[in-house]
Amino acid sequence: EAQLVESGGGLVQPGGSLRLSCAASGFTVSSYWMHWVRQAPGKGLVWVSRIGTDGSSIRYADSVKGRFTISRDNAKNTLYLQMNSLRAEDTAMFYCARAVATTRNAYDIWGQGTMVTVSS
Amino acid sequence: QSVLTQPPSASGTPGQRVTISCSGSSSNIGSNTVNWYQQLPGTAPKLLIYGSNNQRPSGVPDRFSGSKSGTSASLAISGLQSEDEADYYCAAWDDSLNGVVFGGGTKLTVL
Repeated sequence: EAQLVESGGGLVQPGGSLRLSCAASGFTVSSYWMHWVRQAPGKGLVWVSRIGTDGSSIRYADSVKGRFTISRDNAKNTLYLQMNSLRAEDTAMFYCARAVATTRNAYDIWGQGTMVTVSS
Repeated sequence: QSVLTQPPSASGTPGQRVTISCSGSSSNIGSNTVNWYQQLPGTAPKLLIYGSNNQRPSGVPDRFSGSKSGTSASLAISGLQSEDEADYYCAAWDDSLNGVVFGGGTKLTVL
């Protein structure tokens, strides 16, 4: 069964950094387009970033461009999101998601989410 | 302010048919496929409808259907059930923003 498990969230001060991990099982991360999506408490879904099957085709939302970096480790079958210069408005539940094989951005598998809280 | 516009709320009684609209522009819905997600409280979203042919993933009942016309899309739920009470989101790739855009979400209440 395909599954994603996020980790790495927590409480961080403004200006700090965190690295989120998304461990995949039941499928190969490098064979699918993978994304990060976030959801602030009580708010809607917001797309953050994606990485293509070729390991490039990387895109970011304007709100995180220059601060966040998406990557993956094929050997560990894991997706990452390095988050630097964190701001209060980055406080959210972060989900990693797998795109349906025939699409690039329809997410059929989601992780359970990892909470990131940016506060002093 | 979301790029895709959805009504904040919708409601219906058991057995009824309800539709949720999603309005966008030529750079997103007008030129790309629309995906729909259901999010139950405290859980991750679930894919309901995707692709150019409005496909349903395995396990999604055929009570759920999607359609698109121009720069707008709709999700229809027929034979409404209490377990359909959830938040619903539309999403699409945006060629101008070079990213995925979501609607603000519609909270569906089953009366």
